[in-house]
Amino acid sequence: EDQVTQSPEALRLQEGESSSLNCSYTVSGLRGLFWYRQDPGKGPEFLFTLYSAGEEKEKERLKATLTKKESFLHITAPKPEDSATYLCAVDGGAGGTSYGKLTFGQGTILTVHP
Amino acid sequence: DTGVSQDPRHKITKRGQNVTFRCDPISEHNRLYWYRQTLGQGPEFLTYFQNEAQLEKSRLLSDRFSAERPKGSFSTLEIQRTEQGDSAMYLCASSIGQNSPLHFGNGTRLTVT
Repeated sequence: EDQVTQSPEALRLQEGESSSLNCSYTVSGLRGLFWYRQDPGKGPEFLFTLYSAGEEKEKERLKATLTKKESFLHITAPKPEDSATYLCAVDGGAGGTSYGKLTFGQGTILTVHP
Repeated sequence: DTGVSQDPRHKITKRGQNVTFRCDPISEHNRLYWYRQTLGQGPEFLTYFQNEAQLEKSRLLSDRFSAERPKGSFSTLEIQRTEQGDSAMYLCASSIGQNSPLHFGNGTRLTVT
């Protein structure tokens, strides 16, 4: 069974204070690792897909990296509008399951203070 | 691309009542998913459609839950004889192909009293 653990559960930063969120995973065969952002009362918003170890993706102040056991979401010089819950999910493909049957972590709640 | 649309946004019902939610996926997406999210947790997979065919269901989906996607367009999720444990956010997502990212709607928040 696929497992995803995110840390820390909550992170408070000052505006401009860079940091990283961690996503540790175990899967039988990784099809893809996904990062989402979720604002209160809304659905998850897609950020990145990573497919293989060593891959990196960037978007504005966010950069996602992937190893064989974990992924990091690096936030450079965050702003208050980056405050949200960040979710990590894997598509593990165990037992020939359908694509899109994602296993999510519990999320990291990021708060950026001005 | 108008995004995934879900209706209603909020539903309050009494225990034992039946409820039905609707999802309209992004128009060119042939894959449609239902997930459930409780407070402080990540979403959990419930079921998956490719076009009109329901191809996979989670063990979480009890006999009281049924989903349909007639004609491969919109989908409905019905919960019969609701229980307090059914209270959650029900999320719909769609994607254009295998290993493509899922795009989620803003969900239907169900409260069972």
